[in-house]
Order: sequence, then C-alpha cells, then structure tokens
Amino acid sequence: DTEVTQTPKHLVMGMTNKKSLKCEQHMGHRAMYWYKQKAKKPPELMFVYSYEKLSINESVPSRFSPECPNSSLLNLHLHALQPEDSALYLCASSHSDSLNEQFFGPGTRLTVL
Amino acid sequence: GIQVEQSPPDLILQEGANSTLRCNFSDSVNNLQWFHQNPWGQLINLFYIPSGTKQNGRLSATTVATERYSLLYISSSQTTDSGVYFCAVEGDTGRRALTFGSGTRLQVQP
Repeated sequence: DTEVTQTPKHLVMGMTNKKSLKCEQHMGHRAMYWYKQKAKKPPELMFVYSYEKLSINESVPSRFSPECPNSSLLNLHLHALQPEDSALYLCASSHSDSLNEQFFGPGTRLTVL
Repeated sequence: GIQVEQSPPDLILQEGANSTLRCNFSDSVNNLQWFHQNPWGQLINLFYIPSGTKQNGRLSATTVATERYSLLYISSSQTTDSGVYFCAVEGDTGRRALTFGSGTRLQVQP
C-alpha cells in the first residue's frame, strides 16, 4: 500500500481562525514532509520530519506550526493566516535515509479569506 | 542549492504522438523522481530513477547522472496523459528534500 492520506480535501478559513491539516501514512515510513504549491508553480518544501524530529524548516513563518505526534501522523497547525497563504498543501513520506523515494498525498486546497 | 530546469515548458500533442521531456540538474543527485500532476492536484509517481533506464507501459525514463540530465519518453500519447510533468531531485549533500523543476505542461488533443 503506497497511500498517503490527507484531510480535509478543502478548507476555507478566515484570518483569525485556527485550523489544522492532517496527514497519515501506514507504510512504515520514517520521514514525512510538508510542501506548499501555489497555482501554476511547482511544490516548495516547508518542513521535513525524520524519525519524528523536525530536521528541516525552510524559514516558514510561525503562523504555520508542524507537529509529528507519531511515526504515522503529521499535522500542520494554522493560525492567523494571510490571503497569500492560500495554496495547495501537500504531504509526502519516504521510507528512510537509505531509500528516499517520496510518495505524495492528494493535498488540501486551502483558501484564506 | 541544486538547480533543476525542465523543457519544454509547454507541449501540445495530437493523440498517438510521441514526446520527450527533459530535466537538467546542476549537481550530483541521490534521488530523481518524475511525477505527473493531474487536474485535481495529485502528484502521481511515475519513476524513481537516480540513474539508469526504466520502462512502465508507454512511459520510459533515462537518467544520465554523469551528464546531469534525465529524459521522460511518452509514446502513443492519450488524452489522459494531459497535465503537468515534474522532475524533482535530491542532491547528495545529505539534505532530505526534493527540489522541483518548473514542470512541463502537456496537452494531448483528440
């Protein structure tokens, strides 16, 4: 099973709201990733978790807060977002340092009003 | 960081035609993947190919790591092949992150 799931599929939120995006994989992968994709652009890396520890933060604003509660789950907590944060948020996972093919979830399409 | 360039940026084909998409990268890589992004945004894995040649049905890919390029071949194209094709690489610096090219937008017309 090479499936990464993400919820919700769509999210509309106001600038004062707090919401969370969820990502789950059951492939036994130990690395998980958040990417952000604006329209007609390629995905851009936000965060990398390796063995449940944050290993890369691409200078993402603090209004985005990642969390990895266990090896199967990855959350992205959102607070006080701006309209320019509207985008497709993609989660991915890979096996480990020695086998690093990444598999992507279907994404959450976020609109900030 | 590593640079990734894809060409052509846009491609229009008639159904049944063949095509070659190119990915150039600026440094040695541990990982190179080709993806197809469908209209709903899902990134579908096509190939994991840091070196060598692979084939899967009408698609094949070749990576020449020493010359820092990869090619994706699509034969007998179908309308369902339409979408954006991304090449993504991970450099051999130990940093676990994919850098994506700008993509090739393919439209296959019936």
